[in-house]
Amino acid sequence: EIVMTQSPATLSVSPGERATLSCRASQSVGINLAWYQHKPGQAPRLLIYGESTRATGTPARFSSTASGTEFTLTVSSLQPEDFAVYYCQQYNDWPGTFGLGTKLEI
Amino acid sequence: QVQLVESGGGLVKPGGSLRLSCAASGFTLSDYHMSWIRQAPGKGLEWVSYIVSSSSYTRYADSLKGRFIISRDNARNSLYLQMNSLRVEDTAVYYCARENQAWQHLLDLWGRGTQVTVSS
Repeated sequence: EIVMTQSPATLSVSPGERATLSCRASQSVGINLAWYQHKPGQAPRLLIYGESTRATGTPARFSSTASGTEFTLTVSSLQPEDFAVYYCQQYNDWPGTFGLGTKLEI
Repeated sequence: QVQLVESGGGLVKPGGSLRLSCAASGFTLSDYHMSWIRQAPGKGLEWVSYIVSSSSYTRYADSLKGRFIISRDNARNSLYLQMNSLRVEDTAVYYCARENQAWQHLLDLWGRGTQVTVSS
């Protein structure tokens, strides 16, 4: 099973600042990596996947990059609604394993 | 409105059973493969089970050891998870999720989840 490792566990950032979240896969997953946003009491939401393809409704301030087994989600200018937990997930192989998440807090 | 709504969670004793439901609306369930994902307290997201649109193929996490059964009724736009021989470690929020039509195992729509608590 592919293990996904996210860092940091918690990231404290001020509104308007840039946030960079990392995710590493234990083996190659190609570009089959997705990022989800999860707020308490809400459904997790697909944000961005593959070659930085934004899901419907995802603002342009969200972007992603990949380098081998290292993946990065960047939020260019944090808005109040962006504070949440972010999960990466590889969908290259069964089961589509998730990282433990990064909590983005104010 | 395109959404998934889970129900059926609750408190159950170890060894008991529970049946979760997921109601789909705003789209045609029969066009999509579906999954159940869970999150135990303080833990990450874990894939529980998967079923293709026609119900002809299902898959389960190895950790379940045959205790759970996934099914669907496309005519009722509903997905189900029958959970038997429940253990304390099955305590979690259970989410149903829709698989993207272009990318296998990419989940493009989730429900809010239903809480399952297994405790004596």
